[in-house]
Formats: sequence, structure tokens, C-alpha cells
Amino acid sequence: AQKITQTQPGMFVQEKEAVTLDCTYDTSDPSYGLFWYKQPSSGEMIFLIYQGSYDQQNATEGRYSLNFQKARKSANLVISASQLGDSAMYFCAMREEGGSEKLVFGKGTKLTVNP
Amino acid sequence: DAGVIQSPRHEVTEMGQEVTLRCKPISGHNSLFWYRQTMMRGLELLIYFNNNVPIDDSGMPEDRFSAKMPNASFSTLKIQPSEPRDSAVYFCASSKTGIDNQPQHFGDGTRLSIL
Repeated sequence: AQKITQTQPGMFVQEKEAVTLDCTYDTSDPSYGLFWYKQPSSGEMIFLIYQGSYDQQNATEGRYSLNFQKARKSANLVISASQLGDSAMYFCAMREEGGSEKLVFGKGTKLTVNP
Repeated sequence: DAGVIQSPRHEVTEMGQEVTLRCKPISGHNSLFWYRQTMMRGLELLIYFNNNVPIDDSGMPEDRFSAKMPNASFSTLKIQPSEPRDSAVYFCASSKTGIDNQPQHFGDGTRLSIL
């Protein structure tokens, strides 16, 4: 069973607008962490934001915020005021704290920001 | 601070040849991860080490793949003999364990092409 699901293969957004990238997850572990990474066309993987399962507030990091809905098992990434440089693949990943250190990644969403 | 350093950045070789990928983790990080990224399968964890000890190698495809971590600052991933289906981008990542919100930091990857 897929642990991380990103249902949007591709998304388009106009520059300066906000965009939400969806991520749902599946785990029976009460303690887990959720991560978002950005992969530009140059190929590197860049860490963006983290949300812990016990965190009371949604994580924010600059223009990135995480819409964490624990009951729905969703951890959507919100990018505000999109910039052309935000065009990239975005990956959601989960680490189950009760187990190993490994991350399980979703298939990714390709975001294109239009001028 | 120096990030995760991988070498070579690109490797093109003929099938049957031995391939060795190298990784230097971030100083002070005690976990190291090897991932493979392909269009078909996305990002897959191959193996990870904690304090230089292999913890989970369940993602290693087959006996042709081997990984070592002789010390805290160096790891290798070896493929022998290589096959065209091994063509992929191989990432090394490192992190500090024991701290929930610590992300894995990725190297720039090695783009491997087996002809």
C-alpha cells in the first residue's frame, strides 16, 4: 500500500498567486514526521519544511506553510506569492518515528509558475 | 558549511563494468542514506547507515549492489556488474538522528548511465 500519495502530477499557477500541493499519507504509527522537498530542474533535493505529528500548530517557513489535517491524514504544502523560481518538482515524504530513520517519498508534483 | 558531497556527478559506462559512487556526509551527521531516483519508480531508499553500521538494506535491488561506510566521513555504493536498468540518479543524504525535526540533507546526486 502506498504510504504517501500525491494526486497531482502537475500543477500550474500564475506568478504572485498562492498554490496548494496535496499530500495524503497512511500510517498506524502515532508518532511521525512529514517533510516537503523541492527538486528544481538542476536535480538537487532541497528541504523546505517539516511537520511533526504532535505539533499543535501548522509549520511555516517563509512563503511555505503546511496545512496539516491529522484526522484526514493530509499535509498539503501551500506556497504563497509564487515566483518563477518556484517551478520545480515537489515531493512529500514521511518518517515513522517508531521505526527506522528512513523516509518514504511520494511520486511528486510538478509545479509550473507562469509569468 | 559544506553539504553532502557526491562524486562523480556523471558517470557513463558500459554494461558489465564496475561502478563506484562516493559520498561524504555533512560533518557531525550520524546517519547516511543512499537513494535511487528513476522516472518509473520515483525515489527509493536503497540502504541506510547509522553510526557507520548498515541498519536497513531492504531496498538494495540484488547482490550486484553493495554499500560500505568505513568511517563517519565516507561511504561508497558499488554496482558490479552494472546493467542498463541500473541507469538512474543516485543520491546520498545525511542527517542527525535522535532529533525529530532534523531533515535529511541531500547531495547533488550522481547521474549514472549504463550503455
